[in-house]
Amino acid sequence: GENVEQHPSTLSVQEGDSAVIKCTYSDSASNYFPWYKQELGKRPQLIIDIRSNVGEKKDQRIAVTLNKTAKHFSLHITETQPEDSAVYFCAASLSGGYNKLIFGAGTRLAVHP
Amino acid sequence: GAVVSQHPSWVICKSGTSVKIECRSLDFQATTMFWYRQFPKQSLMLMATSNEGSKATYEQGVEKDKFLINHASLTLSTLTVTSAHPEDSSFYICSASERVNEQYFGPGTRLTVT
Repeated sequence: GENVEQHPSTLSVQEGDSAVIKCTYSDSASNYFPWYKQELGKRPQLIIDIRSNVGEKKDQRIAVTLNKTAKHFSLHITETQPEDSAVYFCAASLSGGYNKLIFGAGTRLAVHP
Repeated sequence: GAVVSQHPSWVICKSGTSVKIECRSLDFQATTMFWYRQFPKQSLMLMATSNEGSKATYEQGVEKDKFLINHASLTLSTLTVTSAHPEDSSFYICSASERVNEQYFGPGTRLTVT
């Protein structure tokens, strides 16, 4: 079946540094790629997304890049802050209707003051 | 906008009983709702896709007779865990979709079966 691979599984950075999380997807028909942030015991929150007709999207300290040829997309967080500490999930849309998403395994980001 | 609520937030039930979880889209009409299960420190596992007025579509390996889904309106979907057992204990999260692809998640329901 289709899958999304996400790396790294854990990431530890110092406050102010940048963090990069990478994902690879297998469904060549995927055309929507959201990123979610989940704090412990809380709901996943959509933080940024990108569609296949765009190569890069930025929102303040967060940016996402997409390489459709290589089926890679990445999340970039600059000037990290302790409140960025959470688990981040990438996802890719599945073809076949119903707007289904397939999620990566998640990256636990720790930002140390 | 795009607020999704879920009730209850946590529930403890005895083995063999059934539990119903509600998912509501508060400020939009959800054409599709999704039910996920999440184990500790793991990713979101899609259980089923629910479209208003039609039968839910279950993912492979998910028992449709055990996890009953009803999507009676464009703002409400329910998941009933029937004859719950301890292995059903988990975090259940719904999401709702208004526009193509975008999903907004509810706060989740932590189910503990004793």
